[in-house]
Amino acid sequence: AQSVAQPEDQVNVAEGNPLTVKCTYSVSGNPYLFWYVQYPNRGLQFLLKYITGDNLVKGSYGFEAEFNKSQTSFHLKKPSALVSDSALYFCAVRVQTGANNLFFGTGTRLTVIP
Amino acid sequence: GAGVSQSPSNKVTEKGKDVELRCDPISGHTALYWYRQSLGQGLEFLIYFQGNSAPDKSGLPSDRFSAERTGGSVSTLTIQRTQQEDSAVYLCASSPRYEQYFGPGTRLTVT
Repeated sequence: AQSVAQPEDQVNVAEGNPLTVKCTYSVSGNPYLFWYVQYPNRGLQFLLKYITGDNLVKGSYGFEAEFNKSQTSFHLKKPSALVSDSALYFCAVRVQTGANNLFFGTGTRLTVIP
Repeated sequence: GAGVSQSPSNKVTEKGKDVELRCDPISGHTALYWYRQSLGQGLEFLIYFQGNSAPDKSGLPSDRFSAERTGGSVSTLTIQRTQQEDSAVYLCASSPRYEQYFGPGTRLTVT
């Protein structure tokens, strides 16, 4: 069975500091991994994905994530947080073969403090 | 370009009534998904359409839920005899291959 864990419901970081939002996953087989962001009263926006190749993937708005197969993790990072980054972040996984639907974590609310 | 659109944006209905939710995917995307987002529950997969293949209905919570996709484009999610536990935001997504692009959702409230 596929699952995603986001161990932190809430992450607070000061503006200008680096941020990390954690994600670990469990799949039967090789994963495709995704990060989405949800702003208030808006749908989910795609940030970045890991499909294959380089373990460090770069996405929108200066975000990046590192795929770590041995630790089954895909943490989201940004070198310098902006107040406008404050939102709800979801990690998602799907298997490379078989079902195409995404399995989502429960989300992490990021608050960037001015 | 145009993204995924959903209608209505909000729907309030009485318990026991049927509702239809509509999704217009991004043109050219062959895959279409429905999810449900409940407060404190995260996102829950409901159903998946890929081209002309039979849909993957494995996420539908009961036989009151059904969906169709006409002409490989627009999709309608129907909930019959709505219950209060059906209250949630229903999200539609379309995909060209890997990542999914989501619509703004329909907030359903069953009173």
